[in-house]
Amino acid sequence: GAGVSQTPSNKVTEKGKYVELRCDPISGHTALYWYRQSLGQGPEFLIYFQGTGAADDSGLPNDRFFAVRPEGSVSTLKIQRTERGDSAVYLCASSLTFESSPLHFGNGTRLTVT
Amino acid sequence: GQNIDQPTEMTATEGAIVQINCTYQTSGFNGLFWYQQHAGEAPTFLSYNVLDGLEEKGRFSSFLSRSKGYSYLLLKELQMKDSASYLCAVMDSNYQLIWGAGTKLIIKP
Repeated sequence: GAGVSQTPSNKVTEKGKYVELRCDPISGHTALYWYRQSLGQGPEFLIYFQGTGAADDSGLPNDRFFAVRPEGSVSTLKIQRTERGDSAVYLCASSLTFESSPLHFGNGTRLTVT
Repeated sequence: GQNIDQPTEMTATEGAIVQINCTYQTSGFNGLFWYQQHAGEAPTFLSYNVLDGLEEKGRFSSFLSRSKGYSYLLLKELQMKDSASYLCAVMDSNYQLIWGAGTKLIIKP
């Protein structure tokens, strides 16, 4: 596609449930990032992939969060035992290379945990 | 620690000029980015500065002073569609982007 695609655009789930958020980056972009953003805040870094491997997962808040990118393209962010504090917009971004390339963001998935 | 500071909110008049400042303290520096984010939408790339000076791109210009840890985004001939949040982000020595909280710009007719 022309841009970064994220699905679903909205997800409402109950506390304690498992959710998966999908990101399809721009074709040819090797770097893929997951962020989450709360209202009135800048994006909060979660994890970054260079190809298939997680190059930096230091932003994942705890072991309930996990992300994969098995073929170096599509990525899935997985959240287990969701909590109300996980409610946020989860943004995915890709870039051509790691260093100094601008990030191209998807429209995000708005996750609401009730 | 690493820190990006920018004003929370600014108001300007349609047709005028506005300058949004950003100061930063980071572990190393590999460039500074400005992004625009309309409410409910994803951030979109505006500019990138890695050397000192002014980069001009149409109605938008971005300035960087590395010695002062300072940048600004200058918007000219403001239009109502420029109402958005403007995010400053610095790439540190690990090529990690450190984000400011954003400046909400309100344009009044």
